[in-house]
Amino acid sequence: QLQLQESGPGLVKPSETLSLTCTVSGDSISVNTYHWGWIRQTPGRGLEWIGSVHYTGTTYYKSSLKSRLTMSADTSKNQFSLRLTSLTAADTAVFYCARQSGSYLVSESYFDYWGQGILVTVSS
Amino acid sequence: SYELIQPPSVSVSPGQTASVTCSGDNLGDKYVCWYQQKPGQPPVLLLYQDNERPSGIPARFSGSNSGNTATLTISGTQAMDEADYYCQTWDTITGVFGTGTKVTVL
Repeated sequence: QLQLQESGPGLVKPSETLSLTCTVSGDSISVNTYHWGWIRQTPGRGLEWIGSVHYTGTTYYKSSLKSRLTMSADTSKNQFSLRLTSLTAADTAVFYCARQSGSYLVSESYFDYWGQGILVTVSS
Repeated sequence: SYELIQPPSVSVSPGQTASVTCSGDNLGDKYVCWYQQKPGQPPVLLLYQDNERPSGIPARFSGSNSGNTATLTISGTQAMDEADYYCQTWDTITGVFGTGTKVTVL
């Protein structure tokens, strides 16, 4: 059974950088038809796709976050990661990692497995 | 940027049919998927590519997508179906989630 587990700090200071890792077990991230995504959720904004990464290193990000966001995949550890800089209170959210499955074509893909989520609070 | 609009809430009596709409420009030209989320839990994929059900999802969940509107239909709604529901699509390679709908089973 595929499992995804987010890890990282629960509290980050404003202006600092958030680094989150998603560890995947039960399947390899190195499958061509899988991408791996990050989604966050706040009470006021619902679910928000942040970006996705393919094991080959291909990434695509939400345009409004692109200048602050970096994603990567580590096939040796079967993990993928997110790095978000210059945090503000507006970045406070539950962050989910998820498998994006269905096709190598992004337009045909969907998030079929999700981690439990990690609450990240941005506060001094 | 591309937007998907859902009604904030839908109420339904047990055993009846609930319909949740998701509106976006020319949405019928894109694939839509639907997620169910219960409090304190991550979303669960309900439907993908408009009307395909993953293994384990009951047949009472179905979907359609045409024109500017995609619709999630829950037939014979059960108390356990009370949850938040989100549609999602791709605008080229940008993921877009709907605003979410709370389905209440009265």
